[in-house]
Amino acid sequence: SQTIHQWPATLVQPVGSPLSLECTVEGTSNPNLYWYRQAAGRGLQLLFYSVGIGQISSEVPQNLSASRPQDRQFILSSKKLLLSDSGFYLCAWSVRPGGYEQYFGPGTRLTVT
Amino acid sequence: AQSVSQHNHHVILSEAASLELGCNYSYGGTVNLFWYVQYPGQHLQLLLKYFSGDPLVKGIKGFEAEFIKSKFSFNLRKPSVQWSDTAEYFCAVNVISNTGKLIFGQGTTLQVKP
Repeated sequence: SQTIHQWPATLVQPVGSPLSLECTVEGTSNPNLYWYRQAAGRGLQLLFYSVGIGQISSEVPQNLSASRPQDRQFILSSKKLLLSDSGFYLCAWSVRPGGYEQYFGPGTRLTVT
Repeated sequence: AQSVSQHNHHVILSEAASLELGCNYSYGGTVNLFWYVQYPGQHLQLLLKYFSGDPLVKGIKGFEAEFIKSKFSFNLRKPSVQWSDTAEYFCAVNVISNTGKLIFGQGTTLQVKP
């Protein structure tokens, strides 16, 4: 069966520090991968998606970037965190091509101080 | 741009009451529709989905949803809620494409009183 992992589960970082959140998927090949940010009362906002290795599409201009160095690995990064980057970050995958349900990881709670 | 609107942000019900959560989307083409649920401390998980066929779809835990194309709606229902249904519910729409991007509504927090 398929499993999606995210780490760390929680993270507290000072403003201006770098960020790296990792997501890996097991039990499937060639998935579509997604990064979302969840804010209270605002639903899930899609940040990035990837349909293949090295293929990243950004949905919202921001202080973050994403990379997909391997088929089942998706990384969310920042060179310098802002206070506004605080939030709950979710990784998800779906079968390719898209259009089907997405499966979500446990999420990372990021607090920027 | 496509959007999804959930009309109720916070719903409080007593056990055994009936539930209906509204969801409307704006897009004129073919869509796939989803309801996700996030129980306290748990992953976001799929409750039910609609791709095609019978517009009344049934999901886990006694939930169902009806797709009304003319109203661009996909409302979630349950005849009798339980305390364990306390959770946050999200409606989502996928515009059929290779990317599989989902557009989520703002979410509805359901609190069921025992």
